[in-house]
Amino acid sequence: ETGVTQTPRHLVMGMTNKKSLKCEQHLGHNAMYWYKQSAKKPLELMFVYNFKEQTENNSVPSRFSPECPNSSHLFLHLHTLQPEDSALYLCASSPGGWGRRMETQYFGPGTRLLVL
Amino acid sequence: EDQVTQSPEALRLQEGESSSLNCSYTVSGLRGLFWYRQDPGKGPEFLFTLYSAGEEKEKERLKATLTKKESFLHITAPKPEDSATYLCAVRLFSGGYNKLIFGAGTRLAVHP
Repeated sequence: ETGVTQTPRHLVMGMTNKKSLKCEQHLGHNAMYWYKQSAKKPLELMFVYNFKEQTENNSVPSRFSPECPNSSHLFLHLHTLQPEDSALYLCASSPGGWGRRMETQYFGPGTRLLVL
Repeated sequence: EDQVTQSPEALRLQEGESSSLNCSYTVSGLRGLFWYRQDPGKGPEFLFTLYSAGEEKEKERLKATLTKKESFLHITAPKPEDSATYLCAVRLFSGGYNKLIFGAGTRLAVHP
């Protein structure tokens, strides 16, 4: 069971384009996350939304802009990206909030992004 | 510096050949250690959470253990379907912030 969907699954964009990644969770969870997974690098936590409030921003460049309109939906708006931003972008959710004792995270399948 | 290191990078086993994967960490303020499995083209799948030294969790052929410096994922009599990349992540509280640091993973291949 994942219950976390991501669209699109694949995206090719130019450096001047603006695009958005979408994540939806059907699990009734209260926290949602964006991760970046680059080839041969560890998974990097980008943003955390805890009860719709952004609580973590791990030094992510401003060309990545998250949005969480409600507890079920999470977006990642992309603009003027660089080729080194090409990666797999994963969304995850967890039942409780990003509190002292983090609970299990459930991941979506990811969006494979290629920036030309 | 907070760091999570997984070893080996890759492991090839014969079906039924038991082994262990290692996740060592140098962090302060540990708030949990997580193991995930990731298949190619998919998101990570949660396996275990460990919170304190001495804790152990088991699921089918997998058993995770935790000490103050490292965690082991023991695989008993693996099958080809256990082939995947296994990721370890450490959650900590540092500098007034929560952090989650992943290791680079161990690619496991189990051959019949």
